[in-house]
Amino acid sequence: RKEVEQDPGPFNVPEGATVAFNCTYSNSASQSFFWYRQDCRKEPKLLMSVYSSGNEDGRFTAQLNRASQYISLLIRDSKLSDSATYLCVVNRYGSGNTGKLIFGQGTTLQVKP
Amino acid sequence: NAGVMQNPRHLVRRRGQEARLRCSPMKGHSHVYWYRQLPEEGLKFMVYLQKENIIDESGMPKERFSAEFPKEGPSILRIQQVVRGDSAAYFCASSPRGGNTEAFFGQGTRLTVV
Repeated sequence: RKEVEQDPGPFNVPEGATVAFNCTYSNSASQSFFWYRQDCRKEPKLLMSVYSSGNEDGRFTAQLNRASQYISLLIRDSKLSDSATYLCVVNRYGSGNTGKLIFGQGTTLQVKP
Repeated sequence: NAGVMQNPRHLVRRRGQEARLRCSPMKGHSHVYWYRQLPEEGLKFMVYLQKENIIDESGMPKERFSAEFPKEGPSILRIQQVVRGDSAAYFCASSPRGGNTEAFFGQGTRLTVV
């Protein structure tokens, strides 16, 4: 079983739609969580960190459920420019863990006009 | 403040040659991560380094691959005797410290082995 799992999609949605991605992680010792975005053949770019209380940045909302070990990303009012692959990332450090970032496979979003 | 710089952006090597990939972290960042991405696949962790130390190399192939991050200069990922299966995009990321801090990526080096 992969340590970080995502539905690869693709998710095909019309402009203006709301879309949600989920990600599950297997190691309960995971401590930090992030969403990155990767456009075709380019480097991943940090979209947002995910905090236990949930956090919002404009049209993007991230939530963390430690009990169920999943992370979500909600995108409201989708734009064509939101088309990309969204990567879920976890990190665990301390107590013998090294702090490396572990990436999910990514979920592909295609926003159509 | 320049971002993470990787060079070269594109590298072509013949089978059996050596490939050296360089990564200069963002100013003030002392932690570097290397990842490999095959076409249509996700990012695979290779190695995590701090200045002059390898923190975690659990993703590095046992042979032909090595990495360093000297006190001065960029981090280097070295692949000896390259084979076609080494063809991939290699991304480097840096962070100011380990733990729960975000990491920022360079534009990657695309290695093609012919």
